[in-house]
Amino acid sequence: QKEVEQNSGPLSVPEGAIASLNCTYSDRGSQSFFWYRQYSGKSPELIMFIYSNGDKEDGRFTAQLNKASQYVSLLIRDSQPSDSATYLCAARPDTGTASKLTFGTGTRLQVTL
Amino acid sequence: DTGVSQDPRHKITKRGQNVTFRCDPISEHNRLYWYRQTLGQGPEFLTYFQNEAQLEKSRLLSDRFSAERPKGSFSTLEIQRTEQGDSAMYLCASNKQGLPYEQYFGPGTRLTVT
Repeated sequence: QKEVEQNSGPLSVPEGAIASLNCTYSDRGSQSFFWYRQYSGKSPELIMFIYSNGDKEDGRFTAQLNKASQYVSLLIRDSQPSDSATYLCAARPDTGTASKLTFGTGTRLQVTL
Repeated sequence: DTGVSQDPRHKITKRGQNVTFRCDPISEHNRLYWYRQTLGQGPEFLTYFQNEAQLEKSRLLSDRFSAERPKGSFSTLEIQRTEQGDSAMYLCASNKQGLPYEQYFGPGTRLTVT
């Protein structure tokens, strides 16, 4: 079992719709979670982070965390063709010191016209 | 430019040759990370530095790989006797102390071993 799991997709949504991207993690020591967007051939770009249970909103993006269920999600409202990319979920244990991120394989999102 | 920079952006080498990559982190970031990403996979952690100290190395980092950060600023990643399986995107990221520890990635170095 991978430590961070994502459905590879592609997830196809029409322009203007809500895209829902999901991620589960196995290490209960993971405390901080990050969503990165990666366009083909480019490096990951940080979208949001979350470390408290509940929702966190930033513009069109909402991250949701449920530590009891070991589940993280990212909602993209009013999806645009420019949102078409691979979305990477990453987990980080909160040890109080810097440490590595463990990534899922990513979910490819396609926003159709 | 205040982001993480990496050099070169692309490297093509023949099997058996040595290659070296450079990463310059964001200036106020004292922590620097190297990851490797292959097609269809997420980035995999290789190693990280806090200032000049290398604090963690992945089991993925065979003895052909070595990384340095001699003055706590830029870092180099060297691969000796390259193999075709080393072909990947090598990503550098940096962050600073304190929550939420978000890491910012450089553009990456794409290595192709022929």
